[in-house]
Amino acid sequence: QVQLVQSGAEVKKPGSSVRVSCKASGDTFSSYAFTWVRQAPGQGLEWMGRIIPILGTANYAQKFQGRVTINADKSTYTTYMELSSLRSDDTAVYFCARVYAGAQCDYFDYWGQGTLVTVSS
Amino acid sequence: DIQMTQSPSSLSASVGDRVTITCRASQSISNYLNWYQQKPGKAPNLLIFAASRLQSGVPFRFSGSGSGTGFSLTISSLQPEDFATYYCQQSYSAPWTFGQGTTVEIK
Repeated sequence: QVQLVQSGAEVKKPGSSVRVSCKASGDTFSSYAFTWVRQAPGQGLEWMGRIIPILGTANYAQKFQGRVTINADKSTYTTYMELSSLRSDDTAVYFCARVYAGAQCDYFDYWGQGTLVTVSS
Repeated sequence: DIQMTQSPSSLSASVGDRVTITCRASQSISNYLNWYQQKPGKAPNLLIFAASRLQSGVPFRFSGSGSGTGFSLTISSLQPEDFATYYCQQSYSAPWTFGQGTTVEIK
């Protein structure tokens, strides 16, 4: 059974950085990509970027370019999302998800439980 | 970026009703369209991938259709556990984008 377990809630000051982790269980890490999606309070879902751990390559939504870094540690089956220069509007729940590269379409088939990041002075 | 527009933004329905949510892409995305259900305080859950393929374990009352720029998600007979927010998402090209969501509420 695939599980993605994320790190706990964070409270950060404006201008600082936050790193959220997502640990995968089972034999799921090497063969898949992982993605990060965030959801501001009462708002919809927003894609941030993805990483292919076996290649170590990541790509990001233009909106977050220069502020977000997604990487992975293959030895611990963990992917990380770091967001810098935090602002109050970065307050959101951050989700990781596994990307299944289907024959017809890529989709997010397993999700972490979410990590609340609160940015407040 | 490809814009995804869902309609309606919210709807009220009764148990047993047939419900249809539509999703329109700003350009053709073939069938690279997925649907997710999200309940309050929970992560999204995949319902439909590749526009019409039912994810394993998802009840058969959920179905998806469409291709190109127009898509729909239908719940054939709404059940109490289906009251939630539904999102479409395209994986045709990065950045992968979501619709704004459709909230299905109890009438």
